[in-house]
Amino acid sequence: LAKTTQPISMDSYEGQEVNITCSHNNIATNDYITWYQQFPSQGPRFIIQGYKTKVTNEVASLFIPADRKSSTLSLPRVSLSDTAVYYCLVGDRDSGAGSYQLTFGKGTKLSVIP
Amino acid sequence: GAGVSQSPSNKVTEKGKDVELRCDPISGHTALYWYRQSLGQGLEFLIYFQGNSAPDKSGLPSDRFSAERTGGSVSTLTIQRTQQEDSAVYLCASNKDRGRPQFFGPGTRLTVL
Repeated sequence: LAKTTQPISMDSYEGQEVNITCSHNNIATNDYITWYQQFPSQGPRFIIQGYKTKVTNEVASLFIPADRKSSTLSLPRVSLSDTAVYYCLVGDRDSGAGSYQLTFGKGTKLSVIP
Repeated sequence: GAGVSQSPSNKVTEKGKDVELRCDPISGHTALYWYRQSLGQGLEFLIYFQGNSAPDKSGLPSDRFSAERTGGSVSTLTIQRTQQEDSAVYLCASNKDRGRPQFFGPGTRLTVL
C-alpha cells in the first residue's frame, strides 16, 4: 500500500476555500485516491474518490495532476462545521489479492475559525 | 436507509475479562471491516470479511482477538483476556464490494481498567 504524507494541521477562516494536499510518491497504476472526514467521536465519512484529473461532488473537489504523485482536496467556503480530521488514502481498488484494507495515517486536522 | 450500527457504544471492563463487540452492516453490503483507533491516532486495520470467503485476519494484533460473521451479515469482534493497551475505539465499516468507499459505524469505545 502506498504511503501518504499530509500536513498535520491547518487553520482557516470561515468562508475561505481550503486546499489540503497529500503526497503519495509511490502510487501504483491501479491505485485510487480516497478522502475521508472524521469528526470527534464519530467514524470516518467518505468524501470523494478519484483516479486522475479532477473529480467534483456536492461536498468537495479533488485535483490530481498527471503524474498522480499528489492530490489536493478542495473544500469551498468552509464553515465551522467543517472542523474535522481529513484523511487521504491510496489503495488498489481492483486488487486481486482478496482484500482492500484502508491504511489511515494521522490525517490533517482542519480548524475553522470564526 | 440505516447505516452501520455498532453496540455497545461504550464498554468499560476490567483487565483480564473477555468482551464482545457487535457490528450490524448496511443491508446488502458483502464486505465488512474492523478497525481500531487509539486516542489521537489514525485507524488500524484488524480484519476483513468478504462474502463467504475466508476472512483476512492479517491485522489482528494477537491471538486474543478474533471475529466472526454469521450469515454474511452481523459480525462480532471478541477480545479475550483484555489488557489496558486494548483500550481504543473499535470501528466497523462495510461496503458493497472490494474497493468501493467504506461506510463506517459510530464505533465502540472500549476502556480496560
